[in-house]
Amino acid sequence: EVQLVESGGGLEQPGRSLRLSCTASGFTFGDYDMSWVRQAPGKGLEWVGFIRSKAYSGTTGYAASVKGRFTISRDDSKSIAYLQMNSLKNEDTAIYYCTRVKVVRGVNSYYFDYWGQGTVVTVSS
Amino acid sequence: DIQMTQSPSSLSASVGDRVTITCRASQSISTYLHWYQQKPGKAPKLLIYAASSLQSGVPSRFSGSGSGTDFTLTISSLQPEDFATYYCQQSYSTPFTFGPGTKVDIK
Repeated sequence: EVQLVESGGGLEQPGRSLRLSCTASGFTFGDYDMSWVRQAPGKGLEWVGFIRSKAYSGTTGYAASVKGRFTISRDDSKSIAYLQMNSLKNEDTAIYYCTRVKVVRGVNSYYFDYWGQGTVVTVSS
Repeated sequence: DIQMTQSPSSLSASVGDRVTITCRASQSISTYLHWYQQKPGKAPKLLIYAASSLQSGVPSRFSGSGSGTDFTLTISSLQPEDFATYYCQQSYSTPFTFGPGTKVDIK
């Protein structure tokens, strides 16, 4: 059974940093791209960024709202994906979901087939 | 960035009703369109990928159609467990973007 478990959320002040972890099980982690999606309180879903598998050089991509502040990395030996969040802003307050990315090969269509339960990040002074 | 819109933003329906939700992209995205269901306090769940492919384990009353800029999600006979918010998402180009959601509640 595929499982994704996020951790590391909490209350942090603006300008500070936080690192989220996503521990995966039930599949060969290194074979998959991974992504982070967030949801501000009472709002819709916002894609944060992704990291490709090592087969695709671990390439990363980010939303404009977090580019330069957030970094996604992975440790395939531990089946963990990370989201390093620096220079936090009040508007980063959200539930952060880790997702597994499935790719429709041949057309490179990416979708999120498994989601973690989310971890809450609150940025406030 | 590709903007996604959904209509309606909310709807009230009864058990057994046929429900249709529309998603529109600001430019052509072929069939790079996926649908998710989210219940309160829960993570989203994948329903449909590539516009019309049913994710494994999802009931067959859910179906998707469309290509280019206009897409629909149809629930053929609404069940009590289908009351939720539905989101579309495009993966034609980054940043991947979601629609604002359609909330389906009980009439």
